[in-house]
Amino acid sequence: EVQLVQSGAEVKKPGESLKISCKGSGYSFTSYWIGWVRQMPGKGLEWMGIIYPGDSDTRYSPSFQGQVTISADKSISTAYLQWSSLKASDTAMYYCARRPGTIPFDYWGQGTLVTVSS
Amino acid sequence: EIVMTQSPATLSVSPGERATLSCRASQSVSSNLAWYQQKPGQAPRLLIYGASTRATGIPARFSGSGSGTEFTLTISSLQSEDFAVYYCQQYNNWPLNTFGQGTKLEIK
Repeated sequence: EVQLVQSGAEVKKPGESLKISCKGSGYSFTSYWIGWVRQMPGKGLEWMGIIYPGDSDTRYSPSFQGQVTISADKSISTAYLQWSSLKASDTAMYYCARRPGTIPFDYWGQGTLVTVSS
Repeated sequence: EIVMTQSPATLSVSPGERATLSCRASQSVSSNLAWYQQKPGQAPRLLIYGASTRATGIPARFSGSGSGTEFTLTISSLQSEDFAVYYCQQYNNWPLNTFGQGTKLEIK
């Protein structure tokens, strides 16, 4: 069974750093892209970026380029999304999702809620 | 960036009736269009890809159509579990696969 399991909710202060994770299982982790999607409170879905764990090829939405870093450790089948300096506007639910080569996101993680507040 | 526009923002339909949701792309995305369903407190779920292909396990009452810039998701006979928010997503423009803003399908 394909599963993407994300790390738990986080509460952080502005300026702090954070790295959240997404662990894949039940499939060949290195053979599928893993994307990250933001959902701000009460809002829609925003495509942030995507990584191919097989060779760490990473692409970002222009809206998120330079704001976050996407990485992966294929030895433990885990993708990451990290911030070096959080802002209150980063408060959102973050989802990881698997993308097969020719179709869009077919499996999603359960989401990680990030709250940034002083 | 390809902009995806969904209409209406909110659709009120009675159980058992048909619902028709629309999605328009700012430029052609061929048939590289997906639909997702999201219920409160849950992750999105893939319903349709390739504009008209149902994902695994999706009931036949869900159907998609269209190509180029105009797309439609039709739910033929609404069940109580279908009331949710629906998003379209284009995946023609690699790698920036933009989403529409969503249509909330509510009970009339």
